[in-house]
Amino acid sequence: KQEVTQIPAALSVPEGENLVLNCSFTDSAIYNLQWFRQDPGKGLTSLLLIQSSQREQTSGRLNASLDKSSGRSTLYIAASQPGDSATYLCAAPSTGGGNKLTFGTGTQLKVEL
Amino acid sequence: KAGVTQTPRYLIKTRGQQVTLSCSPISGHRSVSWYQQTPGQGLQFLFEYFSETQRNKGNFPGRFSGRQFSNSRSEMNVSTLELGDSALYLCASSLVVSGGEEDTQYFGPGTRLTVL
Repeated sequence: KQEVTQIPAALSVPEGENLVLNCSFTDSAIYNLQWFRQDPGKGLTSLLLIQSSQREQTSGRLNASLDKSSGRSTLYIAASQPGDSATYLCAAPSTGGGNKLTFGTGTQLKVEL
Repeated sequence: KAGVTQTPRYLIKTRGQQVTLSCSPISGHRSVSWYQQTPGQGLQFLFEYFSETQRNKGNFPGRFSGRQFSNSRSEMNVSTLELGDSALYLCASSLVVSGGEEDTQYFGPGTRLTVL
């Protein structure tokens, strides 16, 4: 059974700081991993999908890495802005195929002026 | 291209009633998944439909059911509502590319269900 853990649970940083969010998963037989962002009371916005054959994926100021052997993924946010304040969730496919995702509990990020 | 849409956005029901939520996936997407999000349990998978067939199912009681139509639109139904069913219900769609590696899941805005 896939289990996903995210640390830290909450993070508060000043604007402009670079930061790293961590995600670990127990079943390394995954074919991809996704990072999402959720604003309060809203749905999830897909940020990055890393395929199992990739080690990194970049989109603007975001960079996600995947290390299947250690069961870890990181989301790096460069030059953080107040608009980055949100909850960040990582999700790994569950064993058995299909699109069943197991989510971590998220990292609540606050970027202060 | 329009995103995933969910209706209604907000719903208030009383215990014992039943409710039907609707999800329209991104055009061309064949897989639709449903998730329940609560402050205590986080995001939990309910079920996934692909080509009108349930492909995966989470650990929810039989009161939770769903279906998918030939145009890929999906509905989920919750019967005999309980207070604990109050949650944000999210729907996600994906294209389903062979192998699944490239399958980004796109989520809708959710339906906020309150059970009184």
